Amino acid sequence: EDKVVQSPLSLVVHEGDTVTLNCSYEVTNFRSLLWYKQEKKAPTFLFMLTSSGIEKKSGRLSSILDKKELFSILNITATQTGDSAVYLCVGNYGGSQGNLIFGKGTKLSVKP
Amino acid sequence: DAGVTQSPTHLIKTRGQQVTLRCSPKSGHDTVSWYQQALGQGPQFIFQYYEEEERQRGNFPDRFSGHQFPNYSSELNVNALLLGDSALYLCASSSTLAGTSYNEQFFGPGTRLTVL
Repeated sequence: EDKVVQSPLSLVVHEGDTVTLNCSYEVTNFRSLLWYKQEKKAPTFLFMLTSSGIEKKSGRLSSILDKKELFSILNITATQTGDSAVYLCVGNYGGSQGNLIFGKGTKLSVKP
Repeated sequence: DAGVTQSPTHLIKTRGQQVTLRCSPKSGHDTVSWYQQALGQGPQFIFQYYEEEERQRGNFPDRFSGHQFPNYSSELNVNALLLGDSALYLCASSSTLAGTSYNEQFFGPGTRLTVL
């Protein structure tokens, strides 16, 4: 059965800390690994990873994929209170429209 | 561009009732996917509509049905509601473009359904 497992499920840090969120996956016909940020309701797209070892970076956020170990991490440096959200790791499989299988998410709380 | 819109934002129903949720996709998008997100869980794929037909379906019973209209908007219908159907229902839209490996799905704000 396809699955995406995230850890930790929740995390509390202080502003300025660096955090690493983990994601392991078992997805048949794997196409890509996606990260979404969900603050209140609508998840918003962060990264799509298709190749191993190539880091994607956007500001203080970065992510990398290991297709051999079926693993991805999302790093956030110099965290801010605005980073508080649920971060969803998503396996994309199948056709170009993408079947998406979501992990349960990591709830990140950044304290001032 | 209004992005993906959903209505209503909140809904309270009782067991056994039927509910219809609505979604308007982002301008230029032709594909709509529906997800159910229970509290503390990641979204679960219900089904996807393209060209007014259900193209893919997740592991949900037939009580969950949908429709896509010529203007690409979509409805999700749930019959014979159960307490366990209480969840946030998310709609996501995307665009079919040739040659892309993943067409980013843009999510709406969701409809919070409570079944009493």
